[in-house]
Amino acid sequence: DGGITQSPKYLFRKEGQNVTLSCEQNLNHDAMYWYRQDPGQGLRLIYYSQIVNDFQKGDIAEGYSVSREKKESFPLTVTSAQKNPTAFYLCASSARAGTTNEKLFFGSGTQLSVL
Amino acid sequence: GEDVEQSLFLSVREGDSSVINCTYTDSSSTYLYWYKQEPGAGLQLLTYIFSNMDMKQDQRLTVLLNKKDKHLSLRIADTQTGDSAIYFCAENENYGQNFVFGPGTRLSVLP
Repeated sequence: DGGITQSPKYLFRKEGQNVTLSCEQNLNHDAMYWYRQDPGQGLRLIYYSQIVNDFQKGDIAEGYSVSREKKESFPLTVTSAQKNPTAFYLCASSARAGTTNEKLFFGSGTQLSVL
Repeated sequence: GEDVEQSLFLSVREGDSSVINCTYTDSSSTYLYWYKQEPGAGLQLLTYIFSNMDMKQDQRLTVLLNKKDKHLSLRIADTQTGDSAIYFCAENENYGQNFVFGPGTRLSVLP
């Protein structure tokens, strides 16, 4: 079955700790995205990548970092500089970025909480 | 930046129709989307409409687009308890560089 796999489902972070959220897709999609979801708010874009070895900041990139070494993988690191990391994190992919009829496909999300 | 607005809550009785409304601001959006999110899960694409269309129907779902007023609606016929979820309206700006999502409408279906 093709899809997007996020892991872990739940993650806890201690003060001053960096944590990494995994996102893998087997849809052969070029573009991948990370969104943050807070209760009662829409999705906010953290980072996106249109192609391997390239990525751009979204609206709320501060305190986060990403890499795109493989087409299938787009891990997100929440650094200690992110002071309010508790949120639901969603990874998404689309076949091609930069076209008008893009459709986003989402993983099942990771809930990050601070201990 | 551009904005997408939705009311946050909607309650309907099982078997009734639900209408979820959305307004957007980017007149250059060529595609508009409806996504469904069940508790603790990711977003699932329900349907989408091209901006030169007024209406699109897909089984129990009807999407209406008023491009002049920048108003999009999703009608769910014969609403069931399994339709209880959060529904997000989204527009595709800047030729796919950025999807903008509304805050989501939480639909509660009462027995």
